[in-house]
Amino acid sequence: QKEVEQNSGPLSVPEGAIASLNCTYSDRGSQSFFWYRQYSGKSPELIMFIYSNGDKEDGRFTAQLNKASQYVSLLIRDSQPSDSATYLCAGFNAGNNRKLIWGLGTSLAVNP
Amino acid sequence: NAGVMQNPRHLVRRRGQEARLRCSPMKGHSHVYWYRQLPEEGLKFMVYLQKENIIDESGMPKERFSAEFPKEGPSILRIQQVVRGDSAAYFCASSPPLVGAKNIQYFGAGTRLSVL
Repeated sequence: QKEVEQNSGPLSVPEGAIASLNCTYSDRGSQSFFWYRQYSGKSPELIMFIYSNGDKEDGRFTAQLNKASQYVSLLIRDSQPSDSATYLCAGFNAGNNRKLIWGLGTSLAVNP
Repeated sequence: NAGVMQNPRHLVRRRGQEARLRCSPMKGHSHVYWYRQLPEEGLKFMVYLQKENIIDESGMPKERFSAEFPKEGPSILRIQQVVRGDSAAYFCASSPPLVGAKNIQYFGAGTRLSVL
């Protein structure tokens, strides 16, 4: 059973701090990973994707991928209350019928 | 430059009625995915379709649920004889033709189905 696991949280951080969200996966054939943000009552929106080992930065967001250890993380620098949402991690293996394998999400609360 | 369009946004049905949810993918996208999300739960994959083909329906309940993506027009998720347990948010996502490992899925706003 291919799985993506996330700590459900809630993860609570003060405004201005770094929020660290983690995700582990079981499918070694996974080629790329996606982080989506979902506000309550809204649809998921893509924040970042990563497919190479190492770090990828985009503004306040940094995605990190370590294929040997099978984990992917998302760092949010200078966290804002508007970052409070559920963050979904998804893995992709082209040999898996193009399906994304989704984690259940981590709830993040940024406290002013 | 419209995104993924879903309608209706809210749908109320009585038990035993049929629900039809529609999804128009982004321009240039030929792959459509349907997901269901129960309150306070994660996304559950239901079905993946290309034009006129069901590629993977491993997440679809065996009865009452069906999906199609005709050559012309939107993708339709159909739920027959709805029950209260079908109340959920149903999201559609679309993606462009696969380029390497970048299967980026873009989501519509969802249809909130309430069964009375």
